[in-house]
Amino acid sequence: ILNVEQSPQSLHVQEGDSTNFTCSFPSSNFYALHWYRWETAKSPEALFVMTLNGDEKKKGRISATLNTKEGYSYLYIKGSQPEDSATYLCAFHSGYSTLTFGKGTMLLVSP
Amino acid sequence: DAGVTQSPTHLIKTRGQQVTLRCSPKSGHDTVSWYQQALGQGPQFIFQYYEEEERQRGNFPDRFSGHQFPNYSSELNVNALLLGDSALYLCASSLGRELDQPQHFGDGTRLSIL
Repeated sequence: ILNVEQSPQSLHVQEGDSTNFTCSFPSSNFYALHWYRWETAKSPEALFVMTLNGDEKKKGRISATLNTKEGYSYLYIKGSQPEDSATYLCAFHSGYSTLTFGKGTMLLVSP
Repeated sequence: DAGVTQSPTHLIKTRGQQVTLRCSPKSGHDTVSWYQQALGQGPQFIFQYYEEEERQRGNFPDRFSGHQFPNYSSELNVNALLLGDSALYLCASSLGRELDQPQHFGDGTRLSIL
């Protein structure tokens, strides 16, 4: 059973704050790491799929880094806005397995 | 460009009954995966369908079965429902079986077992 851990479980920040979350996954047999944003009453939306160690991806104010050797990925949000409030999920794929999701980090951004 | 659509939105069943959930993939996608999300958990992979065959399966009993049709749409069937089957069931589609592509999710079907 693959273990994908996300921290923190939840986070409450003020508008304009920058924040980051962590996704930890097994460091062996890495194939891909996914990040999704899931807003309440909507469907999960793909943010990034990362496949290379040292990869950095950016989408607007959101960026992510990947370290496959130590088994972690960081998601950063610069200048958080209320519309960034959502649950952020990461999912790990080893190549021999299916996608294994973490439990998510719930972000609340107050105006 | 239609995204992933799931039906029904909500469903209430009793223990022992059977249920069928439906999913239409995003236009142009040929692969459908099903996930179960229980309260407080991340989505758990049930199975993946490609070319009308089950290609991968997660740790779910045989009570969970599926089907993919020639138009790529898919059904998830659950027999002999248990209270523990209460969850949000998500369908995701992608182009190709490889999981280095982003999954496109539907809004889910909320299944409640009484």
